[in-house]
Formats: sequence, C-alpha cells, structure tokens
Amino acid sequence: SQKIEQNSEALNIQEGKTATLTCNYTNYSPAYLQWYRQDPGRGPVFLLLIRENEKEKRKERLKVTFDTTLKQSLFHITASQPADSATYLCALEGTDKLIFGTGTRLQVFP
Amino acid sequence: DTAVSQTPKYLVTQMGNDKSIKCEQNLGHDTMYWYKQDSKKFLKIMFSYNNKELIINETVPNRFSPKSPDKAHLNLHINSLELGDSAVYFCASSLDLSNQPQHFGDGTRLSIL
Repeated sequence: SQKIEQNSEALNIQEGKTATLTCNYTNYSPAYLQWYRQDPGRGPVFLLLIRENEKEKRKERLKVTFDTTLKQSLFHITASQPADSATYLCALEGTDKLIFGTGTRLQVFP
Repeated sequence: DTAVSQTPKYLVTQMGNDKSIKCEQNLGHDTMYWYKQDSKKFLKIMFSYNNKELIINETVPNRFSPKSPDKAHLNLHINSLELGDSAVYFCASSLDLSNQPQHFGDGTRLSIL
C-alpha cells in the first residue's frame, strides 16, 4: 500500500540557518506533491505545489525539490526565523484526493 | 472574511449522542472535503463532494453522514458517538477535483466523555 514518511522527530535549528525537511514515499508514483504548514490549533495552509516534471520550485525563502527516482521531496526554508516554527506536511496526489504525511515539527530558536 | 469556516470550534459531548458540524466556504470552489486528524496528528480524508455529489467515502462508518445542501456547504452529522471519534475534524475546499491546493478551516475539536 502507499506509504508516506516524514521526519518523525522534531527538527530544531537556529535562526538564520536553512531548515531541510524530508518526505519519502513508497509503492506510489504521484503526478504532483504539495506542502502545507500547520500551526497549533489551526488548519493546514497551502505553501507550494510541485509536479513530477518539475525538479524544483521556489517561493520567497521556500524551495521544494521532487525526485521521482528517489521517491523523495525535500522542503527547504532558507534564513529561517522563529516565526517559521510550525508543523510541515507533505501531501501526495491520489485518485481525486490528497494523501498526507504525518508531518515534521520545526522549531527555530533565536 | 474567513474563506472556510466551520462551527463549532469545540464540541464536548457524551458517548451515544448525535452531533453535527457545519462547514461553509466563500471561495466559489466546486469541491469540499472532511478530514479527521487523530492524536498523532495524522490527517486522513473521510469524504469529498464535488458539486454536491459524493466522490469519496473513505471507508468511514455509516454513523458519519455528510450532507451538501449546495456547493458552498458540507455538513457532517455523526450518530451514536463513540470514544474513538474524539479527534479534530477539518473541512477543506478546492477549486475542483484536479491537482489544486486545498483551503482548510480551523478545525472542530470533538471530545467524547
């Protein structure tokens, strides 16, 4: 069955550094992948979408890569700030639905 | 204006009761969803509707009955609540069924006593 894995442990980094979050998947070949941010007590908020024929997508300090050979997406936040602290979810395209990973909690310390 | 709004935000009730959660979107989207997020933060789809038609029912117990009176609303009624129903329920919408970003409400935290 389809399986999506994100770093289960929280990621703690210092302000100003680049945060890199990983999303691995198996038994699956999605045509696109999305990343969301979720703050405590709030719903997920869409950040970026990347298609299988796109190697990389950028939006301000965010960068997403999609390697269909490795079955992996990497999500980077450059020059991280304490306000970037949140849980980040990857979601893969399914048949008329998204399949979400369990998320990685990012903590950025001043 | 809130794009996807759901009410109530908190719902505390006893086992065996029946309750409803309402969801409305003002984005003009065709597709709406209900998700369940458990204590481990795993977000799992329950239902999706497109233009008021049921598209996905992800093997949810039939105690859960979604109703879409129009494209902008998707309500969730739950009968005979059980302890295992305790979770946060999220409503979401997207432009259509294709690879579109989804817009989420802020969730309804359901606690069963």
